[in-house]
Amino acid sequence: DAGVTQSPTHLIKTRGQQVTLRCSPKSGHDTVSWYQQALGQGPQFIFQYYEEEERQRGNFPDRFSGHQFPNYSSELNVNALLLGDSALYLCASSPDEGTNYYNEQFFGPGTRLTVL
Amino acid sequence: AQSVTQLGSHVSVSEGALVLLRCNYSSSVPPYLFWYVQYPNQGLQLLLKYTSAATLVKGINGFEAEFKKSETSFHLTKPSAHMSDAAEYFCAVIRGQGNLIFGKGTKLSVKP
Repeated sequence: DAGVTQSPTHLIKTRGQQVTLRCSPKSGHDTVSWYQQALGQGPQFIFQYYEEEERQRGNFPDRFSGHQFPNYSSELNVNALLLGDSALYLCASSPDEGTNYYNEQFFGPGTRLTVL
Repeated sequence: AQSVTQLGSHVSVSEGALVLLRCNYSSSVPPYLFWYVQYPNQGLQLLLKYTSAATLVKGINGFEAEFKKSETSFHLTKPSAHMSDAAEYFCAVIRGQGNLIFGKGTKLSVKP
């Protein structure tokens, strides 16, 4: 089992550009969540996808959007990049088991995005 | 709204000494609480979780945490630190359907 995988590992963009990050969940998991971790901070929840729909969203602007595919993999898109978007972007997957909201989320290694 | 506060951004201990990392929570409902560890250039790994089954929770790598409702705390401890424990530790609480709210983290250094 490869666990949660993310690509690319590192990315450098300039202000105003657009970026797409990718995530493959752990085998058997159908729920994918995205987090932003700025330097020296804890991860912050961006949004969660289940059954190809955005189920929950954190306090992030519409420049942040996502998608989930039928094979449960997911993409995070960020438009009109700002310097403040520089961060480690973490993807986490979990099985959806009804009301078991305390299911463990398995995290990938992250994508380090640098905006110049 | 649920939140967690980690006291101390950096903790340093000697190898073999007790590790104590502090976390206080705020929640209007019984919380589900987690401790995660992050090694350099890696994602987060779950150490342990509290889901109201037992107040003393044992996790991986010899870590444990005790849920104290009266103190709204969920501190992480390990009796004897090892060099391999050096990492950043995050306390988190669940909000909604699997939305984790993290503290700012505590970086643990272990001196030989």
